[in-house]
Amino acid sequence: SYVLTQPPSVSVAPGKTARITCEGNNLGPQAVHWYLQKPGQAPMLVISYGRDRPSGIPERFSGSNSGNTATLTISRVEPGDEADYYCQVWNSSSVHQVFGSGTAVTVL
Amino acid sequence: EVQLVTSGGGLVKPGGSLRLSCAASGFTFGGSTLNWVRQAPGTGLEWVALISSGNSYIHYADSVKGRFTISRDNAKSSVYLQMDSLRVEDTAVYYCATMNGPGDPFDLWGQGTMVTISS
Repeated sequence: SYVLTQPPSVSVAPGKTARITCEGNNLGPQAVHWYLQKPGQAPMLVISYGRDRPSGIPERFSGSNSGNTATLTISRVEPGDEADYYCQVWNSSSVHQVFGSGTAVTVL
Repeated sequence: EVQLVTSGGGLVKPGGSLRLSCAASGFTFGGSTLNWVRQAPGTGLEWVALISSGNSYIHYADSVKGRFTISRDNAKSSVYLQMDSLRVEDTAVYYCATMNGPGDPFDLWGQGTMVTISS
């Protein structure tokens, strides 16, 4: 089965930049979507198709995708960005949606 | 208001059954692909099942195939998840979520409903 691997945790100081990676075989050509989830809440889409920001998502959130790695970048990190972040793709071979293992972002 | 409201969770013994419902409002339900996604306590997100707008395709995660059934009623703007032969490892918060098609993002999520499987 297709696997997306994320680092379990990322720590970043306020005002700095957080980078969250998502690794998968031949991930570059695929449409990667990113979600954040705060405790007790449903996930929320923050980046679609690798780099598109939905309405209402701050410009501080950006995405890129190349080779086997997709990256979610959060610039000028704020305390409110503390959450779990998940990448996700549609695997057409297995006809399964696949989520990454998730990354807990801690704002120091 | 654009929203999904999930219901039907509860405590069930192993081997039992449960039916979850997800009611949509504020958008064109009939054109959306609907999914169920679950999250076991303290763990990450796990996709469970999807059903396309015209029921033309239905897919399940390997962990629930043969035990769970997804269905939809466009007239009621609702999607359902019939869960049979439940196992302790099915314990999770279950979310419904919409997308335009399988390669598109999950753009709207319900609030989730807790399912606990325990003797």
